[in-house]
Amino acid sequence: AQKITQTQPGMFVQEKEAVTLDCTYDTSDPSYGLFWYKQPSSGEMIFLIYQGSYDQQNATEGRYSLNFQKARKSANLVISASQLGDSAMYFCAMREGWGGGSQGNLIFGKGTKLSVKP
Amino acid sequence: NAGVTQTPKFQVLKTGQSMTLQCAQDMNHEYMSWYRQDPGMGLRLIHYSVGAGITDQGEVPNGYNVSRSTTEDFPLRLLSAAPSQTSVYFCASSSRWDRYKGTVETQYFGPGTRLLVL
Repeated sequence: AQKITQTQPGMFVQEKEAVTLDCTYDTSDPSYGLFWYKQPSSGEMIFLIYQGSYDQQNATEGRYSLNFQKARKSANLVISASQLGDSAMYFCAMREGWGGGSQGNLIFGKGTKLSVKP
Repeated sequence: NAGVTQTPKFQVLKTGQSMTLQCAQDMNHEYMSWYRQDPGMGLRLIHYSVGAGITDQGEVPNGYNVSRSTTEDFPLRLLSAAPSQTSVYFCASSSRWDRYKGTVETQYFGPGTRLLVL
């Protein structure tokens, strides 16, 4: 069963506007982390932000914030003030904590391709 | 501190040939993993290791072998290459995330290897 769902294969946003990339997840494990990675056209995987399941506040890293709604099992990435350099593939991923039958593997969604228009 | 390194960056094989993709990390991470990335599929886990001498299968292990004789190295072997193994391969490492720890451990990725099997 798919554990990470990204429903937006592609999105467009105007430069300097904010954009939200959707991610829903499925787990019954109370201990997990949610991650967002950026993959530009050059191909490398760049870690952006993470949220732990026990964290009370939404994570923020510069222009990136993670809108974590635990009851809805969603972990949307918000990029404020989009820049041309934000054009890339964005992957949501989940990692369950090692132990209790889990090996702590990182499971990815299929990604969203974001294009920023000037 | 080089992080996660992968060699080669690009390789062309003929069907039936064998080869080894190298992965090394210098962060003393217990956990290492191999992913393949295909268009529209996100990243799928091939094999992983939670420590030296311990390996296990991920989602798509067929046609690949791994071993982990040291903490630093985690090579991926293609025994008899097939066109279906044409893909981009990523190696990643992290500290093993114990669910009883408070801090979520991030995975760090190598630059990737592009493999073409003719």
